[in-house]
Amino acid sequence: KQEVTQIPAALSVPEGENLVLNCSFTDSAIYNLQWFRQDPGKGLTSLLLIQSSQREQTSGRLNASLDKSSGRSTLYIAASQPGDSATYLCAVSGNAGNMLTFGGGTRLMVKP
Amino acid sequence: KAGVTQTPRYLIKTRGQQVTLSCSPISGHRSVSWYQQTPGQGLQFLFEYFSETQRNKGNFPGRFSGRQFSNSRSEMNVSTLELGDSALYLCASSLNSDWGGRSTEAFFGQGTRLTVV
Repeated sequence: KQEVTQIPAALSVPEGENLVLNCSFTDSAIYNLQWFRQDPGKGLTSLLLIQSSQREQTSGRLNASLDKSSGRSTLYIAASQPGDSATYLCAVSGNAGNMLTFGGGTRLMVKP
Repeated sequence: KAGVTQTPRYLIKTRGQQVTLSCSPISGHRSVSWYQQTPGQGLQFLFEYFSETQRNKGNFPGRFSGRQFSNSRSEMNVSTLELGDSALYLCASSLNSDWGGRSTEAFFGQGTRLTVV
């Protein structure tokens, strides 16, 4: 059974700092990994999708890497802003359909 | 292009009642998945529908059921509600070309907040 862990559970940083969020998964037989952002009481916003054959993906100030063999992914946020404050979730999919297994999330607060 | 639409946004139900939640996927998307989010258990997969057929199912009791219509819209039903069913229910749509198609990017709706009293 796939298990996904995110460390740290919560993070508070001053504005402008670069930061790294971690995601690990127990079964390396994944098809892709997706990073999401969730604001309180809202749905999930897709940030980046990395296929299992890829090593990284970039979108603006965000960069996600994937090391499938070691079961790890990192989300790098450059020059953090207060608007980045949210919960960040990673999720992996296997080879059968679109079932996603989620980590518990990292709650990020960026202080002005 | 419209996103994933879930209705209603909020619901309050009494224990023992049943409830139906609706999800309209992004136009052209054929896969719809449902998730339950609670503070204690996080996000858990309920089931996935593709071309009106259930393709995957999570580990939830039979009180939780769903269906998908020919226009890809999906409904989720929970019967005999329990206090523990209080949660945010999220729907995700994905583009797949065929039944055997592998996972593609998931797009989520804003969710339905269900409160059971």
